[in-house]
Amino acid sequence: DQQVKQNSPSLSVQEGRISILNCDYTNSMFDYFLWYKKYPAEGPTFLISISSIKDKNEDGRFTVFLNKSAKHLSLHIVPSQPGDSAVYFCASMDTGRRALTFGSGTRLQVQP
Amino acid sequence: DTEVTQTPKHLVMGMTNKKSLKCEQHMGHRAMYWYKQKAKKPPELMFVYSYEKLSINESVPSRFSPECPNSSLLNLHLHALQPEDSALYLCASSPQESSGNTIYFGEGSWLTVV
Repeated sequence: DQQVKQNSPSLSVQEGRISILNCDYTNSMFDYFLWYKKYPAEGPTFLISISSIKDKNEDGRFTVFLNKSAKHLSLHIVPSQPGDSAVYFCASMDTGRRALTFGSGTRLQVQP
Repeated sequence: DTEVTQTPKHLVMGMTNKKSLKCEQHMGHRAMYWYKQKAKKPPELMFVYSYEKLSINESVPSRFSPECPNSSLLNLHLHALQPEDSALYLCASSPQESSGNTIYFGEGSWLTVV
């Protein structure tokens, strides 16, 4: 049972445009959501997070939106840069399990 | 500073060997984690330590043995591994084990079992 889903395995955008990465979850106990960026042969790098009491969090070029009723979150990257090319993982945490549940990842490629 | 340091970066071991992976953080975090990641898959939780005590064991085989000597160090002892255990092993830490605390990952240790 996959509780965190990233239905798009890959995404390609032009440099300077917006990248939108999506994530859906099924567990209503999740109350904290994080996005990680991962390059090959490296560990995941924390990007941005959002608590379930908020619907938006912004940090520079990165904005995360949370729609609790739809159990959906998205990461917006504006403007996209070639250095953003990596695999992006959505992860969720609940008060009970106290550990991250990851989605399967979306490979973003930003074309110069 | 959000640095989690893992050594070694690469390890090749035979199925009869005993080796250890090491992890260190100096951020004062009280929760530390081991995750395993296979190619093209998301990281999977193995163990959680909270205040130096084992909090979660995700039914990991006993050939993997974690150890938390102090609040800054986390080891993963490996013995009699199988080739299918070859993977990227990720250490992570967070201020507390509870939800709402960001988890920071190290660079990982690539393990190859031959």
